[in-house]
Amino acid sequence: DAKTTQPPSMDCAEGRAANLPCNHSTISGNEYVYWYRQIHSQGPQYIIHGLKNNETNEMASLIITEDRKSSTLILPHATLRDTAVYYCIVRVASGYSTLTFGKGTMLLVSP
Amino acid sequence: NAGVTQTPKFQVLKTGQSMTLQCAQDMNHEYMSWYRQDPGMGLRLIHYSVGAGITDQGEVPNGYNVSRSTTEDFPLRLLSAAPSQTSVYFCASSSTTGSQPQHFGDGTRLSIL
Repeated sequence: DAKTTQPPSMDCAEGRAANLPCNHSTISGNEYVYWYRQIHSQGPQYIIHGLKNNETNEMASLIITEDRKSSTLILPHATLRDTAVYYCIVRVASGYSTLTFGKGTMLLVSP
Repeated sequence: NAGVTQTPKFQVLKTGQSMTLQCAQDMNHEYMSWYRQDPGMGLRLIHYSVGAGITDQGEVPNGYNVSRSTTEDFPLRLLSAAPSQTSVYFCASSSTTGSQPQHFGDGTRLSIL
């Protein structure tokens, strides 16, 4: 699986949009971009994933650049409960491929 | 929705003791896996299974055994606990169809004295 690069930490004001970047310049054509988050001491929570088109669900939006070498997770209206470590993972779309977790981005949402 | 259930939530062991961490899922997922997470680090894969009767090693398998006799259950065994196995353990499951995401349990916090 391709390697990802994320900033170690980011800050965001409550109510504002949080934009979390991820670089995956070596991504292959059959690899998806997945985002998970881990709120303190809890199990990782799936957020969203995509191949090449932008995706949106009830939690977030995922913007993937046209060359697929980077992506941005957008939390449109961050709340204090969104404070967590966010992981960007690139993975082949096969049920047999595992997730490789890096150190992620620690997002701190402040009042 | 139960999802992925891990038991126990907390456990303290003495060095050399054995124990089994339980993981059960009710989503009929073929794929199940175990991760460990040490302080300040990301998750590391211990063992995984792609179906009943099939298991394989991950990144850090030493000191752990697994078996998969049913689709629902994937227990992780520590045969002789060591202080280096003090960690938080997470179980995950997913369908093997397409790009379906993995779903995680709430973890087992294990301390080895």
